[in-house]
Amino acid sequence: NAGVMQNPRHLVRRRGQEARLRCSPMKGHSHVYWYRQLPEEGLKFMVYLQKENIIDESGMPKERFSAEFPKEGPSILRIQQVVRGDSAAYFCASSPFAPQGTSMEQYFGPGTRLTVT
Amino acid sequence: DAKTTQPNSMESNEEEPVHLPCNHSTISGTDYIHWYRQLPSQGPEYVIHGLTSNVNNRMASLAIAEDRKSSTLILHRATLRDAAVYYCIPDPMDSNYQLIWGAGTKLIIKP
Repeated sequence: NAGVMQNPRHLVRRRGQEARLRCSPMKGHSHVYWYRQLPEEGLKFMVYLQKENIIDESGMPKERFSAEFPKEGPSILRIQQVVRGDSAAYFCASSPFAPQGTSMEQYFGPGTRLTVT
Repeated sequence: DAKTTQPNSMESNEEEPVHLPCNHSTISGTDYIHWYRQLPSQGPEYVIHGLTSNVNNRMASLAIAEDRKSSTLILHRATLRDAAVYYCIPDPMDSNYQLIWGAGTKLIIKP
């Protein structure tokens, strides 16, 4: 049973370019989350998606960042016109549906380490 | 959002039990307590979670205080592979499962 997959694992972009990060959730999981982690810091929530729906994007910067989780294919986190401050590790997690009143664990991918030069 | 307090770091000897404490005095009655860990240069890994009673799985045990203001993650027999940063995270049921990550506890295992 494959875990959460992310690619690429490492991505180098020059300032002003676009970065596309892909995440394939675990089989059977319908919920996807994106987090950002700066060096020596904890993870920061960015966005929570279900198939074809953005449920909570309160952690996403208002400009240049977007996320989608199409009906078919992986979830994509897109960063337009990258700047040096975007350099970080980006982690994707997935979880199954959680019935009302329960709490489900999240399963994380290995992350994409974005370096902006 | 519930706040958590964890020691910055702890040391333990290999093959001994480890008790990692977490204070979450502002937790609400419906918040689950989740524990994750992150090994160096890897993605976080789910460890265990619970609501009111103690929980056990193949990785660890979770002891939740009766007043739910604190919990303790127990690794019964630490190995070198358990060296990681351990995060205690309340899961507020009304926030779409948004996990708020603190600084965690860096666990150092001495051979």
